[in-house]
Amino acid sequence: RKEVEQDPGPFNVPEGATVAFNCTYSNSASQSFFWYRQDCRKEPKLLMSVYSSGNEDGRFTAQLNRASQYISLLIRDSKLSDSATYLCVVNMNNYGQNFVFGPGTRLSVLP
Amino acid sequence: NAGVTQTPKFQVLKTGQSMTLQCAQDMNHEYMSWYRQDPGMGLRLIHYSVGAGITDQGEVPNGYNVSRSTTEDFPLRLLSAAPSQTSVYFCASRPPGGRNTIYFGEGSWLTVV
Repeated sequence: RKEVEQDPGPFNVPEGATVAFNCTYSNSASQSFFWYRQDCRKEPKLLMSVYSSGNEDGRFTAQLNRASQYISLLIRDSKLSDSATYLCVVNMNNYGQNFVFGPGTRLSVLP
Repeated sequence: NAGVTQTPKFQVLKTGQSMTLQCAQDMNHEYMSWYRQDPGMGLRLIHYSVGAGITDQGEVPNGYNVSRSTTEDFPLRLLSAAPSQTSVYFCASRPPGGRNTIYFGEGSWLTVV
């Protein structure tokens, strides 16, 4: 089993739709969790951290379920500019370099 | 704001050639890393450094060397290029601590023929 797995995608949704991505991780001792966004042929950039109680940033909501070892990202009212690949990132411990990246889920928002 | 700067952006190598990917950051970050990204796979850690003079291997270190003589610079050397090293390479830096943002360079597209 891969350490971090994501919905394979791609997701093709119309503008205004709500879309949810899921991510699972294998190490129950993992400490911190993130969603990064990567545009085509660009570097990944932090979208948001994921906190235990869940957190929201505008149209984006992240949830963490430690018992089931999964993370989700919900995008409401999708915009064309949301088209990108979304990377789930898990820090397997709270220090050092053990950030593990999922393979990413590609989203295309269609007009 | 320069952030993380890596060069070159594109490179074509012949099998067996060597080259160095340069990486520099101006944020005084202690932690620097090199990743490679291949289709269908997540970013995989090649080598990392937690400070000047300290380097360690990541998940896929074979065929690559690094050094960290200064806080700012973290070059990646391909010793004898192989077609399997065709990939996109990202240099990254971040402050210590498990919750800090990772800052990436713009990437280097390497093709080995």
